[in-house]
Amino acid sequence: DAGVIQSPRHEVTEMGQEVTLRCKPISGHDYLFWYRQTMMRGLELLIYFNNNVPIDDSGMPEDRFSAKMPNASFSTLKIQPSEPRDSAVYFCASSLVKAGGESTEAFFGQGTRLTVV
Amino acid sequence: GQSLEQPSEVTAVEGAIVQINCTYQTSGFYGLSWYQQHDGGAPTFLSYNGLDGLEETGRFSSFLSRSDSYGYLLLQELQMKDSASYFCAFGGGGKLIFGQGTELSVKP
Repeated sequence: DAGVIQSPRHEVTEMGQEVTLRCKPISGHDYLFWYRQTMMRGLELLIYFNNNVPIDDSGMPEDRFSAKMPNASFSTLKIQPSEPRDSAVYFCASSLVKAGGESTEAFFGQGTRLTVV
Repeated sequence: GQSLEQPSEVTAVEGAIVQINCTYQTSGFYGLSWYQQHDGGAPTFLSYNGLDGLEETGRFSSFLSRSDSYGYLLLQELQMKDSASYFCAFGGGGKLIFGQGTELSVKP
C-alpha cells in the first residue's frame, strides 16, 4: 500500500477563499483522523471517523470547518471562508482498531501545509 | 478532561541515554503510544504499551504504569538522527490524543 495520501502538499490562499484538503487512507483501515499542527497548539485532533461515520468533531474549531468521508477511500476537510489564523500543517491519519477499541498505531500522511494570506 | 504532559525539550549528547516522561489524565484509557516526528515530516509510530511494563524495540524502549498514569520513552545509544520531536499519545475507542511533544536535541 502507498500509505496515507494527502493533497495538496502545499496550499497558499487568500483570506476569505474556500480551501479543500483531501485524504486517501490506507485500504482496510476503519478509522480516519484529521489533525492540525501549529507551534502554539501542537497536534490537535479536529475530527475522526469510524467506517465513514463522523464520531467526534469536538475539535473542529469553528463552523467554518467541515469534514466529510463519502466512502472508505476518501475524505475531505474544508475551510470556508479561510482566515490567516488557519495557517498550519493539516495531517490526515488512518488506523485499524482492534475489537474492544484498542488503537495501537496510526499512519500519517505527509500533511498539507496551508498558508492563508 | 483528557490531557497528556511531557517536557517541552530535552538535550543529550551522542551515545548517551535519554528518558522522556509522559503523564496523562483520561477516562477510558487503552494504552500509551509514542511517535517520532522530524522537522517537516509526518509523525511515525515508535511503540505501544497496552499493559504495564517495559516494551523494547531496538534502541528504543517504552514503559507504562497505569496505576501512576505515567509512561516514558527511553532512547539508548543516541545518534544525531534521533534529533526530532517525540509525542506520547493515548487511544481509547478509536480516538487518538497527542501530547504537546518533546523536542530532543542530540549534540555531538
